[in-house]
Parts: sequence; C-alpha cells; structure tokens
Amino acid sequence: GAGVSQSPRYKVAKRGQDVALRCDPISGHVSLFWYQQALGQGPEFLTYFQNEAQLDKSGLPSDRFFAERPEGSVSTLKIQRTQQEDSAVYLCASSPSVGTRDSGANVLTFGAGSRLTVL
Amino acid sequence: KQEVTQIPAALSVPEGENLVLNCSFTDSAIYNLQWFRQDPGKGLTSLLLIQSSQREQTSGRLNASLDKSSGRSTLYIAASQPGDSATYLCAVTPILRKTSYDKVIFGPGTSLSVIP
Repeated sequence: GAGVSQSPRYKVAKRGQDVALRCDPISGHVSLFWYQQALGQGPEFLTYFQNEAQLDKSGLPSDRFFAERPEGSVSTLKIQRTQQEDSAVYLCASSPSVGTRDSGANVLTFGAGSRLTVL
Repeated sequence: KQEVTQIPAALSVPEGENLVLNCSFTDSAIYNLQWFRQDPGKGLTSLLLIQSSQREQTSGRLNASLDKSSGRSTLYIAASQPGDSATYLCAVTPILRKTSYDKVIFGPGTSLSVIP
C-alpha cells in the first residue's frame, strides 16, 4: 500500500480482555517498530522487528504484551488481560532499511495509530 | 540513558508571530535529530532531519538548528499560521554500539495553537 495501515483505529476494551492490534507496513519494508503513546506524552519504544525476527523487545512493559511478525510483513501487537494503564495510542512505523543513520531524509513512515481505551 | 525533553509543553500565539520550540537531549552520541509534526488522530510526519555533522536544516518557514555538544535543538517557525497548530515532537537517533538498527527516542512534544 501507499502507507502504513493500522487497525482498528479505535478499540474499547473492558479490563481483563485481550486485544490484538494490526499493522500493515509499506510493502518490502525491512524494519518495523511499535511505539506506545500515552495522552500528552511522546511515543515510547516497545519493540522492533527486522523482517520476521524480533530483535528488540526491551520496551514491552510486561509479559502481557506480545508482538509477532511471522512472515516479515504484517505485524500484530497483542495485549492480554488489559489494564487501565494500557490505555494509549499504539503507533506502528516501518522503514526500508535498518536505520536512519546514513539517510539524508527521514525513512520512518508512521501509521495513524490504534487508540486503545480500557474501561 | 538518552532522555529528550521539550520546552514549553504548550504554546499559544497569535497568527503571524515567529516562534521557537526547544528540545534538549542528555547524550550527545547521536546520528541525527528530527522534528516531527503530529495532528490529532493522525500519524507522525517528519518535518526536518539534521545529521549530527550538520548545524541546521531549513524547509520553507521552518528552520531547525542543532548544537550537539550542548545537547540542544530549536525549531523556528516564521510567520505562524493557524494551519501550523499541532504537536511538535523532537526525536534523536542514539548511537547504540551493540545494535545493527536505529531506535528513535522521542521527546514529550510541544502543543502549539496559532490563534487567527
């Protein structure tokens, strides 16, 4: 597609429910990042995939958070037994390369995000 | 650990004014610094990227500067317009010697309102 697509755009869950958030990156993009953005805050890194390999999951807040990218394209962020503190916008970004260090222009393309509200 | 802060948290100016947004980061070991714009309900849009070897970048009415040694960057917006109203995020790409990929670290953002 032309951009990074995320679904659902809005999700309301009752505390304790499981949710799954989907990210469709730009076709052929090697890198995929998930970020969590709480209200009034900047995005916080959650996890990173290089193709199908999850190379960094240091930002996942607890073992209730799980992410996968089995075929190196679409990624799913799953949150089990949701808590109120999980309420946030979850942003996905993809890049054709593994980094921005050598680029003269931004190579990260962000999706519009999935807004999760846990009641 | 790299930390990025932004001042002010919110700013309201009348249309036509020039304004400056500030960003500070704690570790000067970075590849680059970017300024993003975020509109409600939308993703982030990159405005300017400054490589660590550069001092500034310009795009239209926007000018971003970088002083890596002092850990500071500013985003200057000339002749502000109501359409500039958005949240502006500063982000750095730190040099992480044990990784093969680049992880962008964001500041909390400055919420800008330009009043017609």
